[in-house]
Amino acid sequence: EIVLTQSPGTLSLSPGERATLSCRASQSVNSNYLAWYQQKPGQAPRLLIYGASSRATGIPDTFSGSGSGTDFTLTISRLEPEDFAVYYCQQYGSSPTFGPGTKVEIK
Amino acid sequence: QVQLQESGPGLVKPSETLSLTCTVSGDSINTYYWSWIRQPAGKGLEWIGRIYFSVSTNYNPSLKSRVTMSIDTSKNQISLKLSSVTAADTAVYYCARGYYQDYWGQGTLVTVSS
Repeated sequence: EIVLTQSPGTLSLSPGERATLSCRASQSVNSNYLAWYQQKPGQAPRLLIYGASSRATGIPDTFSGSGSGTDFTLTISRLEPEDFAVYYCQQYGSSPTFGPGTKVEIK
Repeated sequence: QVQLQESGPGLVKPSETLSLTCTVSGDSINTYYWSWIRQPAGKGLEWIGRIYFSVSTNYNPSLKSRVTMSIDTSKNQISLKLSSVTAADTAVYYCARGYYQDYWGQGTLVTVSS
């Protein structure tokens, strides 16, 4: 099983700032099958990024994904009020797993 | 507009079998992988398994002995059965579309309690 570790656990930032979230895998993620999701309280997760760097339909270009192998990053270039949420990475290879999440909170 | 709707009992007794259904509208159920994912209150996401076209299933190794997924193409529904449940299976259960999950249902809370 591929174990995903996300850091930091909590990120305290102000609107307008840049957010950098990390996701590290215990072994190489096949074909960069790495996705990022955003979840707000009481809502289902929303797909942001798939294939490590491809934005999902309707996702603004303030969100970008990068990385390969075992190290991946989600960057939010400029935080909007609606971006404060929990973010999960997921590898969706042969036996998918999720990371524990990073909470982006208002400073 | 693709829509997914989970349904099933909100309360299941310990040792019994949890049964949920996901009804898909706006899309053909034969075209994609379909997954079940759960989330205990205040905790992270856990992938349960996925099914494709009734011929391919992958289950979380930690749940594999208790999980069965199936597809009913006539009703455009995916089902989940989880046997021998305990309190640890209490969670919001989501169904979602795709190898990576681009459409999600709203989720349904299942509580395991006597």
